[in-house]
Amino acid sequence: GAGVSQSPRYKVAKRGQDVALRCDPISGHVSLFWYQQALGQGPEFLTYFQNEAQLDKSGLPSDRFFAERPEGSVSTLKIQRTQQEDSAVYLCASSLEPGLTQPLHFGNGTRLTVT
Amino acid sequence: AQKITQTQPGMFVQEKEAVTLDCTYDTSDPSYGLFWYKQPSSGEMIFLIYQGSYDQQNATEGRYSLNFQKARKSANLVISASQLGDSAMYFCAMREAMDSSYKLIFGSGTRLLVRP
Repeated sequence: GAGVSQSPRYKVAKRGQDVALRCDPISGHVSLFWYQQALGQGPEFLTYFQNEAQLDKSGLPSDRFFAERPEGSVSTLKIQRTQQEDSAVYLCASSLEPGLTQPLHFGNGTRLTVT
Repeated sequence: AQKITQTQPGMFVQEKEAVTLDCTYDTSDPSYGLFWYKQPSSGEMIFLIYQGSYDQQNATEGRYSLNFQKARKSANLVISASQLGDSAMYFCAMREAMDSSYKLIFGSGTRLLVRP
């Protein structure tokens, strides 16, 4: 596809369940980012991949959060033992290459609700 | 400390008028980039405009322009001739060259409502 694709669009999980969120970046984009956006707030950085290498995971809020991009294209964000505070929109973004001037291209996000 | 500050939670503007959305930033890196994004109710983040710290002129993209005042560390977005479709959340973001991941750091956003 032409843009960044995320699935599912909506996810409802019971507290304690594990979830997996998928991101298909724009083909050929080297850089991939995950962000968490709480209601009414700006996106908060979670983690960054350059190809398959996870170079920055400083934003992951706990060890329950895990991300991977094994072949340097599709990425999965996994949240184990979900908690209510994990409820948010999870945004994936990609850029052609690392660089100061490169804009991020965002997907529509996955809205996670933990009940 | 907040790296990006957007002090206007909400703004109103009359259709066809211009509006300025404020953004101030904080960095010690001499090389950085500033971005503005639009987020309609559908949720997608749409890139609007970019300004580099060494750019001599203010960036412009169609009806969008960036009022860059480096000494004041401000990067306000100006939207001219507002349209109903401009109603959305607007986010200012910064990227620092010394950050090896080149991540964008976002402000808390301004909700713009265009009145007919």
